Formats: sequence, C-alpha cells, structure tokens
Amino acid sequence: QQPVQSPQAVILREGEDAVINCSSSKALYSVHWYRQKHGEAPVFLMILLKGGEQKGHDKISASFNEKKQQSSLYLTASQLSYSGTYFCGTDLYNNNDMRFGAGTRLTVKP
Amino acid sequence: DVKVTQSSRYLVKRTGEKVFLECVQDMDHENMFWYRQDPGLGLRLIYFSYDVKMKEKGDIPEGYSVSREKKERFSLILESASTNQTSMYLCASSALNAEAFFGQGTRLTVV
Repeated sequence: QQPVQSPQAVILREGEDAVINCSSSKALYSVHWYRQKHGEAPVFLMILLKGGEQKGHDKISASFNEKKQQSSLYLTASQLSYSGTYFCGTDLYNNNDMRFGAGTRLTVKP
Repeated sequence: DVKVTQSSRYLVKRTGEKVFLECVQDMDHENMFWYRQDPGLGLRLIYFSYDVKMKEKGDIPEGYSVSREKKERFSLILESASTNQTSMYLCASSALNAEAFFGQGTRLTVV
C-alpha cells in the first residue's frame, strides 16, 4: 500500500526547480509531505486534503489530483537548505493510517 | 516545544532476545505510529494506534507487537530479535488529519 515516488534522486544547482511526484493505486483522503535531512527526523512540510487543493510554503508548493490519485511537490528557485530526502505519506481512509513512499533524495549544489 | 521521545538512540541486542522500544509524546495526540526505515525502502509502517489499547497492523507487522496502555506511550516489542530486524526505528504521533511529529529514531543492531 506504499505510494510510489519519482524520481528516486535528483541533483540540482542552486536556483533550479524540481518536481517530485507521488502516486497511489488507491483513492486517497490526504497526502502529507516531509523532508528528512541526514541523521535527523523527518519534518513536516504540508498536508493536502481531498478536494484537489494546492498549498504553498515559501517556495515549496504542492498539488493533489484526487482523480489521478497523485500529488506533486514543487520546489522553485532551490536553495542549498532544500537538500534532503523528501517523503510523501498517504492516508486512504481518513484515519491517519499513513504509509510513506520510498523517498526522493534531493541534492542542491552551489 | 512539541516532543516525541524515543528511549534509546542506539541499541545492540543479541539474536533471540526480547527487545522493547519505548516512545513517549507530550502533545496529547490520539495517533501514534512505529515505522522502520531502511535504505531505498523509505518508511514502512509496522503498527499504528488511534487510541489507548487500540492497534492496527501496518505493512510489516510480522515479528513485532505493540502496546499502548497510556495515551502518551507507545511501545514496540520484538518478541525474538533476528538479524533482519537490524534497522532504524522511528516513532511518530499526530492528531487526526494533522502533521506527524517524529522522534529522533532508534538504531537497532541485532547480532
């Protein structure tokens, strides 16, 4: 029941943009996005609820396409601090039974 | 400052031992989770709990059990540790439809 993330890894230069995708084989109630830096706990970025909304958080935003059972995370004008592994978490039944994808390792270089 | 505290950062146990991993949260959250993190596999859900004494299996419950006797505490038990249970274990808690807060993780090595 784990969602599928793509790409597995991406390398950017500072200022470049990236998109990370998360897809599910089942209908979703909500999608969560987290970032984990090496040796640290995952940290919450945003949650998107059923309804196809788009959310923003500084230069990081996300969309949720309920019909396609997909979410995408958009990182614009990337900064060195964006480096880390990004996880999407999906909740199918509105009970916080949250499964995570395998992660996307993002590296931003100067 | 919200907190999820795991009892140990590093643990080394012998094959066949019974192992207890403890997690405590101070946010009065209903939901608590145990995940296992392995390279390339992401965070895999072992068990979660939505209330005291309630538990649900995740994707990889085999070889594990859990206990939630108090709202703030969620324990993961390895009944008979095996080398393939060597991993990083992460505890998390959340309110319903809200962000999850993670503990710092326990790196368990079974020898």
